Amino acid sequence: DTGVSQNPRHKITKRGQNVTFRCDPISEHNRLYWYRQTLGQGPEFLTYFQNEAQLEKSRLLSDRFSAERPKGSFSTLEIQRTEQGDSAMYLCASRSPGQGWSPLHFGNGTRLTVT
Amino acid sequence: AQSVAQPEDQVNVAEGNPLTVKCTYSVSGNPYLFWYVQYPNRGLQFLLKYITGDNLVKGSYGFEAEFNKSQTSFHLKKPSALVSDSALYFCAVRDGTGGGNKLTFGTGTQLKVEL
Repeated sequence: DTGVSQNPRHKITKRGQNVTFRCDPISEHNRLYWYRQTLGQGPEFLTYFQNEAQLEKSRLLSDRFSAERPKGSFSTLEIQRTEQGDSAMYLCASRSPGQGWSPLHFGNGTRLTVT
Repeated sequence: AQSVAQPEDQVNVAEGNPLTVKCTYSVSGNPYLFWYVQYPNRGLQFLLKYITGDNLVKGSYGFEAEFNKSQTSFHLKKPSALVSDSALYFCAVRDGTGGGNKLTFGTGTQLKVEL
């Protein structure tokens, strides 16, 4: 178990630019989540994948946001035409299949700063 | 919609004293409840969960939580606090809407343990 890996750790970009983040989940985990966390707040759900299928998207996810999980392994989150309000920590999490509700395992996040 | 409330932004406790971090929840149906801890610039780490069974749940690092259905609470406790327990703590509930695949987090409680 090497944990959930997120890259890059930090990203500084100018307003209007596009950015892409990558998440590598724990290998046997088929469920993958993206959350966003701003200072002083708890993580807010963005989207959920089961294998390669994106099964749920938050209303927080505007048309500028898109996420993919080709082949059901790693996932990418792209933000187009970034805005200052997009500045946040973007967290990826994964969990295993099976009975019961296995806990989410989080990566260390990608901190985005839009200037 | 499911929600959790963490009424205290910060809890201060002396090392060696017992600690309690409060959480109340609102759900339709049976609650699936979780506690996570977050250290600076890191992702969230799972501490414990309640799905069914005993109302007192034991978790990592000596933490436990007590599920109280009548009070709709799920307070996190530890008999003897350590300075290293200082961190940000999040309560979360499984959100039954949209398929019940995601967690909804509270706003967090900063725990400060002092010598």
